[in-house]
Amino acid sequence: DTEVTQTPKHLVMGMTNKKSLKCEQHMGHRAMYWYKQKAKKPPELMFVYSYEKLSINESVPSRFSPECPNSSLLNLHLHALQPEDSALYLCASSLRSSGADTGELFFGEGSRLTVL
Amino acid sequence: AQKVTQAQTEISVVEKEDVTLDCVYETRDTTYYLFWYKQPPSGELVFLIRRNSFDEQNEISGRYSWNFQKSTSSFNFTITASQVVDSAVYFCALSEAWTPGGSEKLVFGKGTKLTVNP
Repeated sequence: DTEVTQTPKHLVMGMTNKKSLKCEQHMGHRAMYWYKQKAKKPPELMFVYSYEKLSINESVPSRFSPECPNSSLLNLHLHALQPEDSALYLCASSLRSSGADTGELFFGEGSRLTVL
Repeated sequence: AQKVTQAQTEISVVEKEDVTLDCVYETRDTTYYLFWYKQPPSGELVFLIRRNSFDEQNEISGRYSWNFQKSTSSFNFTITASQVVDSAVYFCALSEAWTPGGSEKLVFGKGTKLTVNP
């Protein structure tokens, strides 16, 4: 099983809504990532969780709230978003085993978010 | 700081032509990893190859080949006999080796959009 599964694939929300994006992997990876990708741009790192602890927050606005309930799950809670937050949100995971990590990220297919 | 430069924004070729996508990187680390990802119109990022900084051997996988040269900090990707299905955005990316307590990032180039016309 080498999949990173993201749900939902598409999400439309208003600026006052609260919604969540979910990501799951069962590869035993201990690092999980959220990336944001705007149209015609490369993915940009938002958050990194390492061993279920937040290790990197790339100065992301607080209207994005990540959560890592366990080593297999990663959520991104969304609240009071702006239209400019519309983008493809990609989840990824990597092994993160000391001495053995190759830095390779496995990406999900993404959740395409539209904020009206 | 890490940086990846893909100078070619868009390339258009005719089917069966060979095409090379350029990638130049910057890093201060001696241990690092280079990647190529493909992003078709459907949106997912598809892993193509990983190379570590100690392995400068070129690699061939079917119609794909990669030329890694540390002396010029380049990791170029060639598609031989291109096909319409190769049309996608291709990203070159760099990550530094993770160490406990250190930071880790996969930094992407801006991508090259390849269009293969029939």
